[in-house]
Amino acid sequence: QVQLVESGGGVVQPGRSLRLSCAASGFTFSRYGMHWVRQAPGKGLEWVAAMSSDGGTRYYADSVKGRFTIARDNPKSTLYLQMNSLRVEDTAVYYCAKDYDSSGNDYVDYWGQGTLVTVSS
Amino acid sequence: QLVLTQSPSASASLGASVKLTCTLSGGHSTYAIAWHQQQPEKGPRYLMKVSSDGSHTKGDGIPDRFSGSSSGPERYLTISSLQSEDEADYYCQTWGTGIRGTFGGGTKLTVL
Repeated sequence: QVQLVESGGGVVQPGRSLRLSCAASGFTFSRYGMHWVRQAPGKGLEWVAAMSSDGGTRYYADSVKGRFTIARDNPKSTLYLQMNSLRVEDTAVYYCAKDYDSSGNDYVDYWGQGTLVTVSS
Repeated sequence: QLVLTQSPSASASLGASVKLTCTLSGGHSTYAIAWHQQQPEKGPRYLMKVSSDGSHTKGDGIPDRFSGSSSGPERYLTISSLQSEDEADYYCQTWGTGIRGTFGGGTKLTVL
């Protein structure tokens, strides 16, 4: 079955960087777009970034554009989120999610369990 | 800009039915949406896609108690024979050119 396992979360100071990883299994990773979605404590879901199956197209929320970079390694079936210039308001659980098709601009049909990122001095 | 509107809360009794609503903002009434469930302290789970014609496509293992429908700009999630494990937050999501991933604010469902 589809499994998405995030890692790399932790506590980081404002202005510093962190890289999240998502190991995918149970489906042909290279055929599907992928997303990162976050959830601040006690808040709703916020879409962060997405990437097409071949990595050729990337989408970003305005709140992270220029600071975060989504990437993927298809042979390793792994999705990444490089987060630079972190802010206190980036504190959230970050979920890796699979797109319904290859575009990265469709709906999510599978979710990971999330990894917590805390930005604090 | 497309906005998805959901009521912040809903409640219904054990064994009863409840209908949750997700409303697409003006000019976007033909868009499909996806429903996701998030039980307490868990990651979200995809429930189904609901199209403008009311057809829906469920995710793996989603019980028949869950169904979707549409009317104009409104997309619905109906849960029948409510069980305690249905107490959760429910989010709608839409997508498309220039929209990217948009989520509604979520509805917290309480099973009485």
